[in-house]
Amino acid sequence: NAGVMQNPRHLVRRRGQEARLRCSPMKGHSHVYWYRQLPEEGLKFMVYLQKENIIDESGMPKERFSAEFPKEGPSILRIQQVVRGDSAAYFCASSRAGNSNQPQHFGDGTRLSIL
Amino acid sequence: DAKTTQPTSMDCAEGRAANLPCNHSTISGNEYVYWYRQIHSQGPQYIIHGLKNNETNEMASLIITEDRKSSTLILPHATLRDTAVYYCIVRVDYGQNFVFGPGTRLSVLP
Repeated sequence: NAGVMQNPRHLVRRRGQEARLRCSPMKGHSHVYWYRQLPEEGLKFMVYLQKENIIDESGMPKERFSAEFPKEGPSILRIQQVVRGDSAAYFCASSRAGNSNQPQHFGDGTRLSIL
Repeated sequence: DAKTTQPTSMDCAEGRAANLPCNHSTISGNEYVYWYRQIHSQGPQYIIHGLKNNETNEMASLIITEDRKSSTLILPHATLRDTAVYYCIVRVDYGQNFVFGPGTRLSVLP
């Protein structure tokens, strides 16, 4: 059973470009979470989605960032007009259900570097 | 979410048991205790979780005190590959995201 798959593993963008990060959850998982980790810091929650719905986006910056989890295909985290401060590791996690007795399983992340 | 307190770092000799403590004195009755670890440059790896009773799986054991104010993660025979940052997290409510603190940096020494 494949784990959470994220791609690309590394992404380099110039300031002002767009970054698209993809996440395929584990088989049978319909809940997806995105986290961001700045260098030498802990993971910070960004957004929680369930198929076609955003459940909690309290950790998302108000501008330039968006996320979706369509009925078919992977979840996408999109960052428009990237800036140097967006450089970070972005991790996706998935779970079978959203209740507190369900662990989240993480992918190995996308390392975004902004030139 | 209840706040957790963990030591900043710990050392353990290879082959010995690693006991990682976590204090969560403000935990509520419906909050689960979760443990994850993060090996450099990888995503967090789920280890174990529990509510009241002690739990054991192929990776580790979780000992929760009767008053649930603290817990200990036990890696029975630590190897060099267990060197990582270990996070103790308490979680409540439907869909609640995980709040990662600084964790404990465990170094397994040969």
